[in-house]
Amino acid sequence: GAGVSQSPSNKVTEKGKDVELRCDPISGHTALYWYRQSLGQGLEFLIYFQGNSAPDKSGLPSDRFSAERTGGSVSTLTIQRTQQEDSAVYLCASSLAATSGALPNNEQFFGPGTRLTVL
Amino acid sequence: KQEVTQIPAALSVPEGENLVLNCSFTDSAIYNLQWFRQDPGKGLTSLLLIQSSQREQTSGRLNASLDKSSGRSTLYIAASQPGDSATYLCAVQDRDDKIIFGKGTRLHILP
Repeated sequence: GAGVSQSPSNKVTEKGKDVELRCDPISGHTALYWYRQSLGQGLEFLIYFQGNSAPDKSGLPSDRFSAERTGGSVSTLTIQRTQQEDSAVYLCASSLAATSGALPNNEQFFGPGTRLTVL
Repeated sequence: KQEVTQIPAALSVPEGENLVLNCSFTDSAIYNLQWFRQDPGKGLTSLLLIQSSQREQTSGRLNASLDKSSGRSTLYIAASQPGDSATYLCAVQDRDDKIIFGKGTRLHILP
């Protein structure tokens, strides 16, 4: 079946512009996660959605970052007034559920990522 | 605050050898631990997921163990092949549903 897809695969933008990254999770997956991997850094957890709600937004690096999810499916990560330090690969993942308390299998499946370059 | 450490940061071994990658975490109150591989230019591929109640999981030549009390996990790769060359990431999911990743181990299998 189809996996997690992300678009665009690459995005080059000028400093100060806004960008929108999209993630299509696996059908039926209620949990969706956003991560970022900067050059030379490990993976950084940004935010997760359970359905359409995001219980914890504390991982977002600044108030220029926002994310939404509609219809329990597609999610968009928006970065306003991009800065050079925002350059990174942004990865999205989905799973059946966010916690293992209700369901035994919450294995995450990752998309290919969006490489963002801010000039 | 949960911290995940992976040792070594990089490893080169001849083809055919068995090897072990290590992952440690500071807070044992986790829901699960997952091992991934990351290939250049590609997204992450899930290898093994170990729930907090489990001690190990096996898939093919891979075996992952979990010792929650000591805050450790190992990924054992048997009979390594050049195609195993990748970065291997360990991640724990804590009780607040946050996912914390280690920085990874870059593995290079020498033909």
